[in-house]
Amino acid sequence: EPEVTQTPSHQVTQMGQEVILRCVPISNHLYFYWYRQILGQKVEFLVSFYNNEISEKSEIFDDQFSVERPDGSNFTLKIRSTKLEDSAMYFCASSKDSNQPQHFGDGTRLSIL
Amino acid sequence: AQRVTQPEKLLSVFKGAPVELKCNYSYSGSPELFWYVQYSRQRLQLLLRHISRESIKGFTADLNKGETSFHLKKPFAQEEDSAMYYCAVLGPGTYKYIFGTGTRLKVLA
Repeated sequence: EPEVTQTPSHQVTQMGQEVILRCVPISNHLYFYWYRQILGQKVEFLVSFYNNEISEKSEIFDDQFSVERPDGSNFTLKIRSTKLEDSAMYFCASSKDSNQPQHFGDGTRLSIL
Repeated sequence: AQRVTQPEKLLSVFKGAPVELKCNYSYSGSPELFWYVQYSRQRLQLLLRHISRESIKGFTADLNKGETSFHLKKPFAQEEDSAMYYCAVLGPGTYKYIFGTGTRLKVLA
């Protein structure tokens, strides 16, 4: 069964540095998403992306965050200047359509020092 | 406010006992409801969605619009059911899941 893949599995970065998290969605899916889960808290929506533009974003997704689909397969989340509170598990997801179930990757654990 | 509530952080049952994981939601309109499961060190996997009315791995969930609940049930728990279970809501005209805080199910031998 096709899966969403995320790299790296764990990223350690100094505060203030830029970080890029990478995702390869399922190949025939058209909608892409990022979520995050701070340790001990719920999974929270960050952003959805369709047709090369953001379709919806949460209040968490401020100017420090950006997403991109640089080629036909990758979907990236960039955090420009990381803060301690950005430490979390970041999940990528994709779906065939907006009303189809979202399929999640294994996540990237981001640790900001 | 849009909200999903899973009141139990941890639920422990013995193997063979019935299990019910509670989920209540607050959402205007007609949302879609889902249950996702996360086994140890694995990804979130779709377990059920209310519109398909399936039974997966012996689990069922019925949407009760009057009580705004979508409780997950299984008549006889198995040890391999031990995992984290998340209830999620997808609202009409939106792309984002709203997740509950999750319930850790431990099935004891």
